[in-house]
Amino acid sequence: GDSVTQMEGPVTLSEEAFLTINCTYTATGYPSLFWYVQYPGEGLQLLLKATKADDKGSNKGFEATYRKETTSFHLEKGSVQVSDSAVYFCALNTRGYSTLTFGKGTMLLVSP
Amino acid sequence: KAGVTQTPRYLIKTRGQQVTLSCSPISGHRSVSWYQQTPGQGLQFLFEYFSETQRNKGNFPGRFSGRQFSNSRSEMNVSTLELGDSALYLCASSSGGTGPANTDTQYFGPGTRLTVL
Repeated sequence: GDSVTQMEGPVTLSEEAFLTINCTYTATGYPSLFWYVQYPGEGLQLLLKATKADDKGSNKGFEATYRKETTSFHLEKGSVQVSDSAVYFCALNTRGYSTLTFGKGTMLLVSP
Repeated sequence: KAGVTQTPRYLIKTRGQQVTLSCSPISGHRSVSWYQQTPGQGLQFLFEYFSETQRNKGNFPGRFSGRQFSNSRSEMNVSTLELGDSALYLCASSSGGTGPANTDTQYFGPGTRLTVL
């Protein structure tokens, strides 16, 4: 079945550092790929998405490129802020439906 | 445009009781999906409703059920609660697109935190 693998956390960075959170997937067909972010005590917010190979999703300084050849969708940000501290989830839609398969999530902690 | 709303935000129940959670989707969205989030299992899909019909189902026991109304609002019911049902229950809405190259996007509500004592 479909699956998503994310790097284990927590990822601890200082403010203004470069961020990479790795995400690889296994899926049949042509899934869309997503990054969601969850702040403490809240639900999931869509951060960015890409719907086909070589697409780049971007939002709020975050970027991720849909790499079909390596089945990856790594999240990057050039300069993190304390306010970026949250849990980040990589996901794909599966079996042709909107239903999402999620990775385990990666906690990001940014210190001043 | 208003987002996805869920009520109540917090619930405390005891083992053996039943509970009903409610979700109102974004206006115009016809699909509502439910997910359970726990520290051990992460985010797991429960079921999806589209136009009042259950279209997709995850691997949960029959104690978990749901329904969708004609205005697309959805309810989820858990009967005979167990301690392991303590979790954050998230609802997501989307337009409900399907197909091999589906680009539909799900938008999540804030969740209902259920604690079973």
